[in-house]
Amino acid sequence: GAGVSQTPSNKVTEKGKYVELRCDPISGHTALYWYRQSLGQGPEFLIYFQGTGAADDSGLPNDRFFAVRPEGSVSTLKIQRTERGDSAVYLCASSLPGAISYNEQFFGPGTRLTVL
Amino acid sequence: QQQVKQSPQSLIVQKGGISIINCAYENTAFDYFPWYQQFPGKGPALLIAIRPDVSEKKEGRFTISFNKSAKQFSLHIMDSQPGDSATYFCAASRGTYKYIFGTGTRLKVLA
Repeated sequence: GAGVSQTPSNKVTEKGKYVELRCDPISGHTALYWYRQSLGQGPEFLIYFQGTGAADDSGLPNDRFFAVRPEGSVSTLKIQRTERGDSAVYLCASSLPGAISYNEQFFGPGTRLTVL
Repeated sequence: QQQVKQSPQSLIVQKGGISIINCAYENTAFDYFPWYQQFPGKGPALLIAIRPDVSEKKEGRFTISFNKSAKQFSLHIMDSQPGDSATYFCAASRGTYKYIFGTGTRLKVLA
């Protein structure tokens, strides 16, 4: 079956612009996660959705970052007033219900964001 | 307390050799320890995972050894193959939603 898909695969933008990154989880997965992976580093947790609600957004670095999942499936990560330091690969993952259930997270291929 | 320290940063192994990657954590609340494999341009994929109620878990050529008292765990890849060349990340979490990843180990297996 189809895995987690992310679009676009690459995004180049200018400092100060607004960007949206999209994630399509595996069908039936109610849990969805966003991570950010800087060059040479491990993924860093940003936000976790269970259904439509953000159950944990403690990893969002500041209020320029926002994510939604209005129908409990597709999610969009939104970054306002982009900065050069936002350049990274943004990974999305999905799973059956998360938290204490120990279900595997399946990762998408990521969106490489470059802020010039 | 939230860090997971991973070593070595890079590793070169001959084909057929054993690859060993080590991780250490501080937070004793962590109760799930997965290892992920990542190829260039791809997302991480789960390789093997362990919970602290066992000291070792083996799946094929991959083994996790877990030392709860030392707060350390390691990945052993037996009979390493060129196709195993990738970046490996350890992670730790409480439950499975908020992984704290290590910094990664770039493994190269020479043919």
